[in-house]
Amino acid sequence: AQKVTQAQTEISVVEKEDVTLDCVYETRDTTYYLFWYKQPPSGELVFLIRRNSFDEQNEISGRYSWNFQKSTSSFNFTITASQVVDSAVYFCALSGPDNYGQNFVFGPGTRLSVLP
Amino acid sequence: DTGVSQNPRHKITKRGQNVTFRCDPISEHNRLYWYRQTLGQGPEFLTYFQNEAQLEKSRLLSDRFSAERPKGSFSTLEIQRTEQGDSAMYLCASSLGGTGSQPQHFGDGTRLSIL
Repeated sequence: AQKVTQAQTEISVVEKEDVTLDCVYETRDTTYYLFWYKQPPSGELVFLIRRNSFDEQNEISGRYSWNFQKSTSSFNFTITASQVVDSAVYFCALSGPDNYGQNFVFGPGTRLSVLP
Repeated sequence: DTGVSQNPRHKITKRGQNVTFRCDPISEHNRLYWYRQTLGQGPEFLTYFQNEAQLEKSRLLSDRFSAERPKGSFSTLEIQRTEQGDSAMYLCASSLGGTGSQPQHFGDGTRLSIL
């Protein structure tokens, strides 16, 4: 069965600090996809990034970067120079080869609070 | 690009009443998903459709829950004889079909409160 663990329940940082959100996953699929979503207080889940299991290149998008390591089954998310608007719950998710149903699993989320 | 739309945003009802939620997916997306999210938890899968066919239902989906997607466009989720434990945020998502690489795009959700 697929499983996603986000060990950090809540993190608080002061604005402009860097912060890393951890994600560890379990799967028996050789082809799989990893996602990060952001859920601000308004409630809508916003898609941030997708990685496939064959591409371990790290990715940077502005202040966001992602570190995918198959050897440790981790897909960590770093926000550089955090801002108050980054305050949200962040979810890591895992999908098997086909994006359907119970094959798409979310972690419990990490609540990030960025203080001014 | 119009996103996923859910109505109503909030629903307050008495225990035992029936409720129905609507979801309008992104127009070119053939897959539609329903999730339930309780406070402090990630979304939990309830059911999904490919076009008008309901292809999978979670064990979480009791007999009191039913979902439809009659013309492969919008979907409804009905809960009959609501119970206190049904209080949650109900999220709808849609995606293009095919491989697992396609991200699901979510609506704002419907928050259900049972009195």
